[in-house]
Amino acid sequence: QSALTQPPSASGSPGQSVTISCTGTSSDVGGYNYVSWYQQHPGKAPKLMIHEVTKRPSGVPDRFSGSKSGNTASLTVSGLQAEDEADYYCNSYAGSNNWVFGGGTKLTVL
Amino acid sequence: QVQLVQSGAEVKKPGASVKVSCKPSGYTFTGYYMHWVRQAPGQGLEWMGRINPNSGGTNSAQKFQGRVTMTRDTSISTAYMELSGLTSDDTAVYYCARGTVVAGTGRLIDYWGQGTLVTVSS
Repeated sequence: QSALTQPPSASGSPGQSVTISCTGTSSDVGGYNYVSWYQQHPGKAPKLMIHEVTKRPSGVPDRFSGSKSGNTASLTVSGLQAEDEADYYCNSYAGSNNWVFGGGTKLTVL
Repeated sequence: QVQLVQSGAEVKKPGASVKVSCKPSGYTFTGYYMHWVRQAPGQGLEWMGRINPNSGGTNSAQKFQGRVTMTRDTSISTAYMELSGLTSDDTAVYYCARGTVVAGTGRLIDYWGQGTLVTVSS
């Protein structure tokens, strides 16, 4: 199972919006509505931000939103804030009780 | 609140095995799958496998099959991940993470442990 493809880096100024993509195949991202996004600050454990493509867990700001088109899922962070600077990872169910992560994207708030 | 507490850092020699524990609280241990994910230094997340704490049944990534053993002790509500045949490439932080309810059809991985650093060095 190959890792999902994410851009290594993304950036935006405070208040702006940024979108991070996550490209897989029809066997993972495109085949299931089980895409999640995680935020990871340095030295910390990942935190769930989006699940099932578009759903936000309780406590996650509505500045974070998810979508999917075909084999590519996206995470959009609107109204960027300094504390959004972190690594972001996508994850997808890949069938046959397997999961796959993306390589991660480092988001920099300029 | 849901918390997953893992065992402490380990240093192992090449060829050895390591066993990491994960003790959750705040929910019924046998009611939710437990996943194991690792992260090599400066690298991304890598899914290793999951265990059904109720039945003991496991699924693992093809890369780790034959080398990873996931078990649980329901009497103390603790999950374990043992990795054998360690090489320097296995140096990583190993995380346990809660999955979806065992009786459900979801595919969620939500709460994570704090991570356990395993260093493989001669």
